[in-house]
Parts: sequence; structure tokens; C-alpha cells
Amino acid sequence: AQSVTQLDSQVPVFEEAPVELRCNYSSSVSVYLFWYVQYPNQGLQLLLKYLSGSTLVESINGFEAEFNKSQTSFHLRKPSVHISDTAEYFCAVSGNQGGKLIFGQGTELSVKP
Amino acid sequence: DTGVSQDPRHKITKRGQNVTFRCDPISEHNRLYWYRQTLGQGPEFLTYFQNEAQLEKSRLLSDRFSAERPKGSFSTLEIQRTEQGDSAMYLCASSPQGSRADTQYFGPGTRLTVL
Repeated sequence: AQSVTQLDSQVPVFEEAPVELRCNYSSSVSVYLFWYVQYPNQGLQLLLKYLSGSTLVESINGFEAEFNKSQTSFHLRKPSVHISDTAEYFCAVSGNQGGKLIFGQGTELSVKP
Repeated sequence: DTGVSQDPRHKITKRGQNVTFRCDPISEHNRLYWYRQTLGQGPEFLTYFQNEAQLEKSRLLSDRFSAERPKGSFSTLEIQRTEQGDSAMYLCASSPQGSRADTQYFGPGTRLTVL
């Protein structure tokens, strides 16, 4: 069985500050890892994913996440956040053949001016 | 791609009534997933189809829930004898097969309120 734990339910930060959203997973098989974002009143959108290869993956809007197999983590980081990054962020895992996603509980990122 | 669409967007019903939701996946995506999301929680997997075959069902899916994808295109999710605990956002997602099967594209969801 797979599971995902997002260690922070809410993360308030000031604009232009760095942020890290933490995600740990457990699985007995090789996995794919994902971060999805849900902006207010919008559907889930894929932010970035790790399938294989380089353990550092990046999104087009400046987020990055690093797969750490020994620590079973996939933390999301951004060096300088914007007001527009305010959203709910979900970490998710699937088996390495795709299939169902197992989501964490979500982290609400609130960026304040 | 026009994206995944879901209908209706909102549904209010009384306890004990049956409801049916529809999901239209992205064209040519042969995998289709249903999830349920309650307030303050991440989405929970319910079931998924590859073409018209239902390949996996969650233990969360009680006998009151049934899903179909009769022609391998759109899917319906029916809840019989609704209960207040069924109130949630029901999400549909689709993905292609093969090397791009890892990425699921989500619809806007159907918000169900059971009074």
C-alpha cells in the first residue's frame, strides 16, 4: 500500500520570501511522484512530476521538487513566492506504471503582501 | 484538447435520493478515473476504467455507488440512496495510455450536497 503525508496543513509566507512544502511518502514499490495545485475555485492542475532520471524537477513558474529516495521525500520549493501562488498544493504518488493517484491531505499556501 | 468536462457542476439532493454524474474525458484518453474530495482533504481514489473495463474499485466505494463507461468514452457515476456523508466534490480525471499514462488531467468536479 502507498501513502502520502504532507507535514504542514497551512503555510503562510510573505511575498518574495522562500517557501518549502513538505511531502513524505511510503511505498513498497517504485513510484511516480507528483505535485498538483488547486487555485481558488479551480480544478486540480499538474505542477510537476518525477518519473525517473534526474531527481530535481522543475515547473514553468519557478517551483522545484527533489526526489529523495533514502528519505522518501518529495518536498516542493520556490525561492521567491508571489501573491498569485496562493493556492492549495497536493502531493501525490502512483505506482511506476501509472494508475490511481494517492494524495496527501494538502497544504494551503497563503502569500501575504 | 477541450479538457475534461463534468456535469452537473453542482447538485443538491435530499437524503435517500439517487444522483448521477457524468464525465467526458479528453478525446482519445482511454483511462478514466473517479475521485472524491471532502473539505480539507486530498482527493480519494474511487475507481478507474481503461476503455470500457473497470479495472479497480476502492474499498471506499460502497454498494450504493456504481460507475460505468459503456463505450469507452464518457463515464457516469451513480449514487443510490444518498446519505449526508456522501456530500463531497466528485472529481473525474483522464489520461492517455502508454508512455504518457502517468499524467492525469482533472475536470472541474461536481459538488454534491445531500440535505
